[in-house]
Amino acid sequence: GAVVSQHPSRVICKSGTSVKIECRSLDFQATTMFWYRQFPKQSLMLMATSNEGSKATYEQGVEKDKFLINHASLTLSTLTVTSAHPEDSSFYICSARDHRGDPDASYEQYFGPGTRLTVT
Amino acid sequence: QKEVEQNSGPLSVPEGAIASLNCTYSDRGSQSFFWYRQYSGKSPELIMFIYSNGDKEDGRFTAQLNKASQYVSLLIRDSQPSDSATYLCAVRGGGGSYIPTFGRGTSLIVHP
Repeated sequence: GAVVSQHPSRVICKSGTSVKIECRSLDFQATTMFWYRQFPKQSLMLMATSNEGSKATYEQGVEKDKFLINHASLTLSTLTVTSAHPEDSSFYICSARDHRGDPDASYEQYFGPGTRLTVT
Repeated sequence: QKEVEQNSGPLSVPEGAIASLNCTYSDRGSQSFFWYRQYSGKSPELIMFIYSNGDKEDGRFTAQLNKASQYVSLLIRDSQPSDSATYLCAVRGGGGSYIPTFGRGTSLIVHP
């Protein structure tokens, strides 16, 4: 199956520092990756769509200068939270689209395990 | 704005019963429908997807889609305590759109 990893799984940082989260597709090439944020008891909120080799597309209300996304290869996308503040504390989840196999499944998104960010 | 609505619950069912989870959506042009299960503190995992009207069965899970009424449901037969989780409904539009809209999820509790 399609496996997506994220690193780190949990991070605590001080306010004002930057944090980088990596998302990797382990057994397939992902031309498109998605970054979500989920606050407690809330649904997934799409932050941005990341396409390999091009600039990410950010959803309305998401600051692109604060949440830097880089998708330099077909298996790796990174999200950097710059100058983090306590309100950025959340569960960040990436997902990747797998184009292989069953055409009906070609649009499936497979999620990474998520990164719990706590900003103190 | 595309909306996906789910009752937040919690829905509580006894072990062995059928759990029925419902989802409605606003975009009549939606083409693809997904159910994800999310355990507390974990990321979502795909359970089922359905594209055509009617029922689709996979083990203890059955997805039901009614495009005319704009709802999709998930039935879990012989519910187990391990099924206790939040179930997210996701809906994707047509025309090459590949970004789904997620509902807020329904919390399911299966008690022994």
